[in-house]
Amino acid sequence: RKEVEQDPGPFNVPEGATVAFNCTYSNSASQSFFWYRQDCRKEPKLLMSVYSSGNEDGRFTAQLNRASQYISLLIRDSKLSDSATYLCVVSSSGYSTLTFGKGTMLLVSP
Amino acid sequence: SAVISQKPSRDICQRGTSLTIQCQVDSQVTMMFWYRQQPGQSLTLIATANQGSEATYESGFVIDKFPISRPNLTFSTLTVSNMSPEDSSIYLCSVEGTGTSIIFGPGTRLTVL
Repeated sequence: RKEVEQDPGPFNVPEGATVAFNCTYSNSASQSFFWYRQDCRKEPKLLMSVYSSGNEDGRFTAQLNRASQYISLLIRDSKLSDSATYLCVVSSSGYSTLTFGKGTMLLVSP
Repeated sequence: SAVISQKPSRDICQRGTSLTIQCQVDSQVTMMFWYRQQPGQSLTLIATANQGSEATYESGFVIDKFPISRPNLTFSTLTVSNMSPEDSSIYLCSVEGTGTSIIFGPGTRLTVL
């Protein structure tokens, strides 16, 4: 089983739609969780950290389910500019244990 | 947060040659890392660049192939030695961000013919 698994997509949605991605992880000792965004031919950039209680940042909501070992990202009212690849990142202890998923591609169309 | 620059941004190299990638940060940082992103693959940590001591390499990566320098707290280099087409990839420098997140530089896109 891969350490961090994501549906590669692409998810094709119209503007204004709500879309959700899930990511599963295999290491039950994982402590830190993040979503990164990577635009085409650019470096990944931190979108948001994922906290145990769940957290929201504008149109973006991230949730963690430790029992089932998955994290989710919900995007409401999708914009064209949300088109990107979303990387799930999990860490058990410190920077060197950061494990990246392959990413889920989102395409938002007019 | 720190701003990272990398040089070169891209290069096309012949097999058997070596390329040195430079990473410059606009502020002093404790932790610097080198990652590789191969086409269709997830980001993989090559090594942690330690200031004043040898880099710490991850499984599958060795110093002879990927020598790293870290002369101070704002600069590091990664050399890809004796290149083969399998080394074609994006190489990214990164530094510590908030919490245990990291910030990436713009990357160096390497093509080996």
